[in-house]
Amino acid sequence: SAVISQKPSRDICQRGTSLTIQCQVDSQVTMMFWYRQQPGQSLTLIATANQGSEATYESGFVIDKFPISRPNLTFSTLTVSNMSPEDSSIYLCSVHRDMGTGELFFGEGSRLTVL
Amino acid sequence: EDKVVQSPLSLVVHEGDTVTLNCSYEVTNFRSLLWYKQEKKAPTFLFMLTSSGIEKKSGRLSSILDKKELSSILNITATQTGDSAIYLCAVPNTNAGKSTFGDGTTLTVKP
Repeated sequence: SAVISQKPSRDICQRGTSLTIQCQVDSQVTMMFWYRQQPGQSLTLIATANQGSEATYESGFVIDKFPISRPNLTFSTLTVSNMSPEDSSIYLCSVHRDMGTGELFFGEGSRLTVL
Repeated sequence: EDKVVQSPLSLVVHEGDTVTLNCSYEVTNFRSLLWYKQEKKAPTFLFMLTSSGIEKKSGRLSSILDKKELSSILNITATQTGDSAIYLCAVPNTNAGKSTFGDGTTLTVKP
């Protein structure tokens, strides 16, 4: 089973600023997934981060707003740019525990509040 | 586009009650259905179901898949306050590796 360290755990940000969330996995993984969970909502996939190539973004999410880096097989960052109160969410990094079944391990999550 | 629907969206019960949570799905190339429990921020894995009619059980929790009806249920017997959480149903996309999540059921167990 993978151990995923995600930081920051929480932050309060000002409108118009940007924040970068880091995700470190204790083993090499091909795909890393970034999810967003807005208050009272379920998990929505933002993008899939693959090492050595650009991230694949889901409908409704764009690279300018959510730039992602994946410099190696154990690390990824997600930046939330030019934040507004609507970006207040929990952001979750996840990896496959088992690609055959699709079971996911999640990081501890980053709770962002934008004022 | 894959779709996962959970019901009810919220549920309030008292300790000792039994609850049944529902999940229905519309996906291409079904591989598995997973249940997660989310208490604070990070969801944690409960069950993975691949075969129809085979019950998975863990303590007071159990789950079963019905491929004919494209659905699954999660049962919790003798509920406790510690069962209060959001229960998420998810179906992985076989091609892209990503998972589609339902809206979740928020369970509140009162003493």
